[in-house]
Amino acid sequence: NAGVTQTPKFQVLKTGQSMTLQCAQDMNHEYMSWYRQDPGMGLRLIHYSVGAGITDQGEVPNGYNVSRSTTEDFPLRLLSAAPSQTSVYFCASSYTSLRPSYEQYFGPGTRLTVT
Amino acid sequence: GNSVTQMEGPVTLSEEAFLTINCTYTATGYPSLFWYVQYPGEGLQLLLKATKADDKGSNKGFEATYRKETTSFHLEKGSVQVSDSAVYFCALSRGGTSYGKLTFGQGTILTVHP
Repeated sequence: NAGVTQTPKFQVLKTGQSMTLQCAQDMNHEYMSWYRQDPGMGLRLIHYSVGAGITDQGEVPNGYNVSRSTTEDFPLRLLSAAPSQTSVYFCASSYTSLRPSYEQYFGPGTRLTVT
Repeated sequence: GNSVTQMEGPVTLSEEAFLTINCTYTATGYPSLFWYVQYPGEGLQLLLKATKADDKGSNKGFEATYRKETTSFHLEKGSVQVSDSAVYFCALSRGGTSYGKLTFGQGTILTVHP
């Protein structure tokens, strides 16, 4: 198993540009989520999905869109990048969100810089 | 709302020293508590967890006890190694249908010198 994969590893955008951060998992996990990591603030939940076709907002959803057309993939879209979106983005997945015994697996992260 | 507060960092120790990283939380009900570790250039990995009061989570020599009376979940290790150098995050989830929604502390950078 590759686990949770994310592409790209690094990205530089200009203000106003759009892009999609890719996330995929090969563990047949039903639950997937996106977090952003900022210095001194830990990780904050952006969006999450409890299964294909179902998504919902987390703590900091503004400026981001998601969709979940398959179990495996959960892309994060930035519609019009802003410098405040400079961050490290992590995708995570879990078999379910209904039990704490099921570990969440994190991808290696995408470091995004918006100039 | 929910929140997690970790001790101010970074923490620098010599090999074989005792480690404590403090974590306190604010949450309604009975959250589950977690410690995650992030090694340089990698994503987060679950280190240990506890799902009810007085539970002790343990893994790789690390331990943490869920103390509801002090709303704390301090991480300890008796003898740290250079390979333990990483960023450590305390986190909670409220449970029910929300185990996936983690609230993280700000992270504590640990550096262990030989």
